Amino acid sequence: DIRMTQSPASLSASLGETVNIECLASEDIYSDLAWYQQKPGKSPQLLIYNANSLQNGVPSRFSGSGSGTQYSLKINSLQSEDVATYFCQQYNNYPLTFGSGTKLEIK
Amino acid sequence: QVQLQQSGAELVKPGSSVKISCKASGYTFTSYDMHWIKQQPGNGLEWIGWIYPGNGNTKYNQKFNGKATLTADKSSSTAYMQLSSLTSEDSAVYFCARSRVYYGLLLPFDYWGQGVMVTVSS
Repeated sequence: DIRMTQSPASLSASLGETVNIECLASEDIYSDLAWYQQKPGKSPQLLIYNANSLQNGVPSRFSGSGSGTQYSLKINSLQSEDVATYFCQQYNNYPLTFGSGTKLEIK
Repeated sequence: QVQLQQSGAELVKPGSSVKISCKASGYTFTSYDMHWIKQQPGNGLEWIGWIYPGNGNTKYNQKFNGKATLTADKSSSTAYMQLSSLTSEDSAVYFCARSRVYYGLLLPFDYWGQGVMVTVSS
């Protein structure tokens, strides 16, 4: 199985700041990488796919980058509504696997 | 608009089975894969498998072979997951989620159901 190591596990930042979340795959996943946002008590929502493509309707302050085994999610100008847990997921090979999540809070 | 409406919370006894549903609307049910994902409290997400309602083909995470069975009813645009021989380890929220189908490529989940809490307790 492809292991997805996500860091940090939790993050506290101020409104307006820029934050970065990292995801490391145990093998090359050829940019078959998605990022999801899960707000408390809700289902995950797709933010980014193919490592750097923004899903329709997602604010442009979210962006993704990376290749090979290393990927990152960047959130510019942090807003209060960005409080959530963020997960990465690889869809390059079976079984599909997720990172363990990054819980983002406002300082 | 695309909606995936899941059935309600379940409280079930150890050793029993449960069948949960996911009713799709707003798109052609038979043209997309339907996946199922497990989330235990405070834990991450585990992919269980997918079903292609167009022909009933399925693919499972080996970890869930024998535990989960995926079916779909084209007439009602509803996907089902049955979980058998339940133990406390099966207590979790279970999501259905859709992905596009494109020449056999794997693709991300673009719409999710609201989740179903399954609690296994005597």
